[in-house]
Amino acid sequence: DGGITQSPKYLFRKEGQNVTLSCEQNLNHDAMYWYRQDPGQGLRLIYYSQIVNDFQKGDIAEGYSVSREKKESFPLTVTSAQKNPTAFYLCASSSEWNSPLHFGNGTRLTVT
Amino acid sequence: GDSVTQMEGPVTLSEEAFLTINCTYTATGYPSLFWYVQYPGEGLQLLLKATKADDKGSNKGFEATYRKETTSFHLEKGSVQVSDSAVYFCALSERGAQKLVFGQGTRLTINP
Repeated sequence: DGGITQSPKYLFRKEGQNVTLSCEQNLNHDAMYWYRQDPGQGLRLIYYSQIVNDFQKGDIAEGYSVSREKKESFPLTVTSAQKNPTAFYLCASSSEWNSPLHFGNGTRLTVT
Repeated sequence: GDSVTQMEGPVTLSEEAFLTINCTYTATGYPSLFWYVQYPGEGLQLLLKATKADDKGSNKGFEATYRKETTSFHLEKGSVQVSDSAVYFCALSERGAQKLVFGQGTRLTINP
């Protein structure tokens, strides 16, 4: 079955360390997205990519970085510059702009 | 900018009760409107959508009608089940825009 795989499900890191969250899709979708979810705040867009080797900042890109070297993969790195990194991170993809998003099951990152 | 406002949660109902979750939006153009559902520990799934005024989206007994005159897209279900317990997100996307805008989510709990 096609879908989006995020790994790991839970991730723990010490403050000051960079950490990379994996996102892989086999839906052959061009567009991919990273969202951050905090309690009571809905979803906020971190980065998005419309096509391989191209990506744009979303609303809260500071302290994060991404790459899009392959159509299937869109890893997110949470750097030590992100002041409050503990959150639930969701990766999504869509076949084109404005079409419904398909989400992965998320990675819960805890930084202590 | 574009925004989505949902009714405050949490909402707690008894099984077989009637459900309404209010959603209103602000947009400069003619957006598409969506309801997504998130079950515990998972990513979001598309529940239903509407792409133009007066369209009604429906799925799994849930319905929502795109009301341009009131800028609303309220979610309704005639008889809820325990399995409907989840967080519900209203969202919009503008034609030509580069992201989906989400409301803050409404947590729904159905008691047997």
